[in-house]
Amino acid sequence: QKEVEQDPGPLSVPEGAIVSLNCTYSNSAFQYFMWYRQYSRKGPELLMYTYSSGNKEDGRFTAQVDKSSKYISLFIRDSQPSDSATYLCAPARTGGYQKVTFGTGTKLQVIP
Amino acid sequence: DTGVSQNPRHKITKRGQNVTFRCDPISEHNRLYWYRQTLGQGPEFLTYFQNEAQLEKSRLLSDRFSAERPKGSFSTLEIQRTEQGDSAMYLCASSQGQGEETQYFGPGTRLLVL
Repeated sequence: QKEVEQDPGPLSVPEGAIVSLNCTYSNSAFQYFMWYRQYSRKGPELLMYTYSSGNKEDGRFTAQVDKSSKYISLFIRDSQPSDSATYLCAPARTGGYQKVTFGTGTKLQVIP
Repeated sequence: DTGVSQNPRHKITKRGQNVTFRCDPISEHNRLYWYRQTLGQGPEFLTYFQNEAQLEKSRLLSDRFSAERPKGSFSTLEIQRTEQGDSAMYLCASSQGQGEETQYFGPGTRLLVL
């Protein structure tokens, strides 16, 4: 069983839709929860970062963490074509440095 | 541009050849990481440097792989006797450390072994 499970998609939605991206993890040692966005042929860029259960909002993006069920979500409101990318769920644990374990990523396409 | 830079961006080589990639981290970052990403997968950790010291290596890093960060600034990743299975995107990331652990990624080096 992988430590981090993420549906690879692809997920196609019309412009303006609310997008829900999800991830589950099995390692209770994960303390930090991040979402990275990766455009085609580019490196990942950090989108959201949280270290506690609950919601964190940043503009059109909301990250949600439920440590009791080991479930991580990213919501995108009013999705735009520029949101078309692969979204990587990335929980992390500490141990001298931040040890990040990436999910496989969900490919999102927002259709104008 | 003050982000993480990687060179070359693309590399095509024949099986059995050696290749070397370079990563220049963000200047004040003392932690540096190498990851490998294959098609349809997330990045997988390869190795980690704190300044010039290589403190952790993944089991993915076989004996054919070697990484250095000689002066605690830029880093190189060398693959000897490349195999077709080495074809992947090699990503470098850096973080400041000292409580600020967010990892910032470079654009990657895409390797194709023929």
